[in-house]
Amino acid sequence: DIQMTQSPSSLSASVGDRVTIACRASQTINTFLNWYRQKPGQAPKLLIYAASSLQNGVPSRFSGRGSGTDFTLTISSLQPEDFATYYCQQSYSTPQTFGQGTNLEI
Amino acid sequence: QVQLQESGPGLVKPSETLSLTCDVSGYSVSSGYYWGWIRQTPGKGLEWIGSIYHSGNTYYNPSLKSRVTISLDTSKNQFSLKLTSVTAADTGVYYCAKHGEFQYFDYWGQGTLVSVSS
Repeated sequence: DIQMTQSPSSLSASVGDRVTIACRASQTINTFLNWYRQKPGQAPKLLIYAASSLQNGVPSRFSGRGSGTDFTLTISSLQPEDFATYYCQQSYSTPQTFGQGTNLEI
Repeated sequence: QVQLQESGPGLVKPSETLSLTCDVSGYSVSSGYYWGWIRQTPGKGLEWIGSIYHSGNTYYNPSLKSRVTISLDTSKNQFSLKLTSVTAADTGVYYCAKHGEFQYFDYWGQGTLVSVSS
């Protein structure tokens, strides 16, 4: 299985801050990398797919980049609703696997 | 707008079979895409269980393959999950979801909590 490792595991920030979360795959996954945000008690919500494509309806403050094994998710200006847990997921090979999550807190 | 809703027992006894159904609205499951199950457990976090194509082809997580069956009911526009021989390690929130073009999950159900306990 491809292991997905996110860093940091937790991050403290303030409204308006710019933050970046990293995700590393244990082997190359091309650009088959997706990002989700999960608020407490809710299902994950797709933000970015194929490493850098913004899902319909997702604000442009979210951006992704990377290829191969190293990827990042950047939020340019944190909003109150962004304080949540973020997950990366590889869809390059079976089984699809998720990172352990990054908890973004105030 | 595609919507998914999980349903099924919230409590299952050890060694028994967990059965869940996902009702889909806003899109016909027979028209296209893969449809999948994901769970979130304290021990393993988010874990993909398996998926079914609109044609009925399935693929499963090898770690669960011996215990999992996913099926499609096009007449009811739903798909189902069966997980046999459950243990406490199978306790968690189970989500159904629709795959997008590159196998990401673009629509999710709200999730249903399943506890395995006698």
